[in-house]
Amino acid sequence: SQQGEEDPQALSIQEGENATMNCSYKTSINNLQWYRQNSGRGLVHLILIRSNEREKHSGRLRVTLDTSKKSSSLLITASRAADTASYFCATHSGSARQLTFGSGTQLTVLP
Amino acid sequence: SAVISQKPSRDICQRGTSLTIQCQVDSQVTMMFWYRQQPGQSLTLIATANQGSEATYESGFVIDKFPISRPNLTFSTLTVSNMSPEDSSIYLCSVQVGSETQYFGPGTRLLVL
Repeated sequence: SQQGEEDPQALSIQEGENATMNCSYKTSINNLQWYRQNSGRGLVHLILIRSNEREKHSGRLRVTLDTSKKSSSLLITASRAADTASYFCATHSGSARQLTFGSGTQLTVLP
Repeated sequence: SAVISQKPSRDICQRGTSLTIQCQVDSQVTMMFWYRQQPGQSLTLIATANQGSEATYESGFVIDKFPISRPNLTFSTLTVSNMSPEDSSIYLCSVQVGSETQYFGPGTRLLVL
């Protein structure tokens, strides 16, 4: 079953604006990963944040993790039309090797 | 990182038939995973495929319906057996590199009529 919920389910913004997506999960984690999926294709790994980290940056991406609230956020700054995609968080827990995915956020960036 | 390919990329099948999906990785990996993504939904793990042993299936998925092979460290197949329209999904394989990051193949879009 899915561990996480993401909100919003859908987000529509203008090019150049920032986009923030949130992810909540239920159990303790080793790490949390964010993925992007374009039009039902494969998933592209964006960023991984470990349970002992609070914030991580990669280019225009900023991820935060609050383990006390069991939540994470993904911020995309200065969005582009090419950022239009579905974004999923996925958690890695305990000794399990598989990922448990959130419900996803559909981001639309309007030119 | 890892480069993963899947065949076929898409297929349209008749109910009652079976389809075998192939997943090829450009490097040797211990753990491979098969996920299903139903239309408009998130990903659900079907099974974990380890080389040289039986696949480990998640609750709700059984070997008779989704037999998996893992003959070596770079290749795996997933068969969707006796298909029905409810099996229409994207099927994705993934591999774990190191201890944390998983990389995904491009997926196989299956439509069952």
